[in-house]
Amino acid sequence: SQKIEQNSEALNIQEGKTATLTCNYTNYSPAYLQWYRQDPGRGPVFLLLIRENEKEKRKERLKVTFDTTLKQSLFHITASQPADSATYLCALARQAGTALIFGKGTTLSVSS
Amino acid sequence: DTEVTQTPKHLVMGMTNKKSLKCEQHMGHRAMYWYKQKAKKPPELMFVYSYEKLSINESVPSRFSPECPNSSLLNLHLHALQPEDSALYLCASSQGVAGGPLDYNEQFFGPGTRLTVL
Repeated sequence: SQKIEQNSEALNIQEGKTATLTCNYTNYSPAYLQWYRQDPGRGPVFLLLIRENEKEKRKERLKVTFDTTLKQSLFHITASQPADSATYLCALARQAGTALIFGKGTTLSVSS
Repeated sequence: DTEVTQTPKHLVMGMTNKKSLKCEQHMGHRAMYWYKQKAKKPPELMFVYSYEKLSINESVPSRFSPECPNSSLLNLHLHALQPEDSALYLCASSQGVAGGPLDYNEQFFGPGTRLTVL
């Protein structure tokens, strides 16, 4: 069955450093991958979408890479701030559709 | 308006009650979704509506009954729930539908309804 793993449940870093979150998947060949941010008690918020034929995508301090050979995506936040503290979820869509399967998420804590 | 609204924010119900969750979006999105999220777990897909028609049912028990009265509204009717159904119920919408351009596949989530079944 399709499986998505986010290696770290929790990641603690200092303000100003780069946070790197990992998402691995198996038994799947997704057309694209998405990253979402979720704050406690709130719905996820879309951050970035990267297609299977894209190696890297950037948005302000965020960078996502997608390696379909390794079946892995890396999500980077540069110059991290305490306001970046949240749970980050990677998500794959099944088949060619829009129904998402989410990884368990990584909770990032940025200390000042 | 880029917002998905959900009502109520909180709901407590007994196992014999019938209640409904409501979701609304005015972004002209053609797909709408219900997810269930337990504490410390990721959202799990329950249903997908595409062009107001149910396109995916993730083998959800019949005590959960979705309804899409029009392109802006999505309801989830609840009946004879179990305590283990207590969770955050999230509604989402997307402009993109299955087979369409990927650029429109970001999902906009509502704040959720916190459901407690006694």
